[in-house]
Amino acid sequence: DQQVKQNSPSLSVQEGRISILNCDYTNSMFDYFLWYKKYPAEGPTFLISISSIKDKNEDGRFTVFLNKSAKHLSLHIVPSQPGDSAVYFCAASPTSGTYKYIFGTGTRLKVLA
Amino acid sequence: ETGVTQTPRHLVMGMTNKKSLKCEQHLGHNAMYWYKQSAKKPLELMFVYSLEERVENNSVPSRFSPECPNSSHLFLHLHTLQPEDSALYLCASSQDSVGGGYTFGSGTRLTVV
Repeated sequence: DQQVKQNSPSLSVQEGRISILNCDYTNSMFDYFLWYKKYPAEGPTFLISISSIKDKNEDGRFTVFLNKSAKHLSLHIVPSQPGDSAVYFCAASPTSGTYKYIFGTGTRLKVLA
Repeated sequence: ETGVTQTPRHLVMGMTNKKSLKCEQHLGHNAMYWYKQSAKKPLELMFVYSLEERVENNSVPSRFSPECPNSSHLFLHLHTLQPEDSALYLCASSQDSVGGGYTFGSGTRLTVV
């Protein structure tokens, strides 16, 4: 059973609008969450993170929201740009040990010009 | 060179072949990882090396054999693979502390015929 779930395999959004990518997790021990972005033929690149002591973290056009009670996090991209078209992975980790990250299956975002 | 470099980018091998994947990081990180990405599946952690010692082996079949001769280099030796082993193999590195993300290489696309 997957501990980190990204239930939408794909998402299309018009340029300039908001993209919302969702991620759910089942393990209440998860304490640290990250989002990665992956272009074709490249490795994933780190985008933004959030720890459980916060419910929001913002970096430019990217904001991650964490709802611990619902075991849900989301990535908001606003405004969306065609260059944001990529696969987005969320990952979660318990407090100890970097290598304990569990990844979701990814959501392919397509931003339409 | 900077970042995490993986070679080769693409590899086609027969089930009786022996080949090796190579990963090199120039970031001064002290932990390195092998991940497997199959279609429509989450990134699966295979091996973790921290300070050149293997600290995690995630129930990977013995036909995959990792080697970490120093903190900058990581190999994955392959022998008698199966077609279902065809996947994207990603190497990553990190500074082994909570709160950091990984830096991934671009991956090796492996096809077993």
